[in-house]
Amino acid sequence: RKEVEQDPGPFNVPEGATVAFNCTYSNSASQSFFWYRQDCRKEPKLLMSVYSSGNEDGRFTAQLNRASQYISLLIRDSKLSDSATYLCALTGGGNKLTFGTGTQLKVEL
Amino acid sequence: NAGVMQNPRHLVRRRGQEARLRCSPMKGHSHVYWYRQLPEEGLKFMVYLQKENIIDESGMPKERFSAEFPKEGPSILRIQQVVRGDSAAYFCASSQLAGDVDTQYFGPGTRLTVL
Repeated sequence: RKEVEQDPGPFNVPEGATVAFNCTYSNSASQSFFWYRQDCRKEPKLLMSVYSSGNEDGRFTAQLNRASQYISLLIRDSKLSDSATYLCALTGGGNKLTFGTGTQLKVEL
Repeated sequence: NAGVMQNPRHLVRRRGQEARLRCSPMKGHSHVYWYRQLPEEGLKFMVYLQKENIIDESGMPKERFSAEFPKEGPSILRIQQVVRGDSAAYFCASSQLAGDVDTQYFGPGTRLTVL
């Protein structure tokens, strides 16, 4: 089983739609969790950290479920500019980030 | 407030040559990480360094690859005798261990092409 698993997609959604991604992880000792966004093989850009209490930043909401070992990202009112690959990442037992392979989102008119 | 800087952005080498990739962390950051992204694959951790110290090199190939972060100057990822399979995007990230969450910020990457 991979350490971090994501549905690769692509998710094709119309502008204005709500879309959710999940990411499962296998190491229960994982400590910190993040969502990154990557455009066209450019550098990953931090979208948000993920906390057990859940956190929201504008149209984006992230949630961590330690019992079921997954994190989620919800995007409301999708914009064309949200089209990208969304990477979940985590740390466990050190500072190195372990990434999922990413979920591709395409927002269409 | 400059972010993480990497150079060169693109590097072309022939098989057997050496590649040197440089990374300057964000101002105030003393932790540097190198990741590799092979075509159509996810990012893989290679090495974590602090000034003059390698902290974790568990992701580094056993041969031909080395990394350093000297007291002065950028971090260097060095690949000796490159092979076609080394062609990839190499990203550097930096962090400042502030609080409980060590957030890493990435540079623009160096795209290495081995002919």
